Amino acid sequence: EAQVTQNPRYLITVTGKKLTVTCSQNMNHEYMSWYRQDPGLGLRQIYYSMNVEVTDKGDVPEGYKVSRKEKRNFPLILESPSPNQTSLYFCASKSRPSGPDTQYFGPGTRLTVL
Amino acid sequence: GENVEQHPSTLSVQEGDSAVIKCTYSDSASNYFPWYKQELGKGPQLIIDIRSNVGEKKDQRIAVTLNKTAKHFSLHITETQPEDSAVYFCAASTVGAAGNKLTFGGGTRVLVKP
Repeated sequence: EAQVTQNPRYLITVTGKKLTVTCSQNMNHEYMSWYRQDPGLGLRQIYYSMNVEVTDKGDVPEGYKVSRKEKRNFPLILESPSPNQTSLYFCASKSRPSGPDTQYFGPGTRLTVL
Repeated sequence: GENVEQHPSTLSVQEGDSAVIKCTYSDSASNYFPWYKQELGKGPQLIIDIRSNVGEKKDQRIAVTLNKTAKHFSLHITETQPEDSAVYFCAASTVGAAGNKLTFGGGTRVLVKP
């Protein structure tokens, strides 16, 4: 089944404790992206990747890092989480970076930073 | 950058009635407008999209209209059913642009009352 998977689905952590949220897609998509969803603000893009070893900042990249060493994986790293990073995070992928292709979303990771 | 505004933020309709969600965008270069449906505990899923060379598109009970001059587009759901209850997001992007970033509206929570 074609899908985007994220782990963990739920995470409660404390300020300053490094964490990684994994994302994997099995559709051989070139483009992958991370979003955060906050009430009333919709989804805002954090980082995106147009292919292996190619990443770029989205609208709200501060406090986040990403890497794209393999085509299927795109982990989101919070080196020193803070309470304002408490949010619902979604990973997404689509076939081509610049085409109007359907963007497929993962099930989400709800992160709470105390 | 692009800015997308979405209204209303919540919408309650009686089963069988129609629901309309409206979005405006700011960047005249935007040429691709998808709509996503997010059910509770899941990631957003594409339900319909429209490109700027088309004024209207329909798929069974859902339709989208686009007014390029006024920079607004709308989602219409007819004969609403309880399973239409969800959060709906509009988005805008520029196909062909590097990264092809989706900018989302703030979302509309639709409740269909039986």
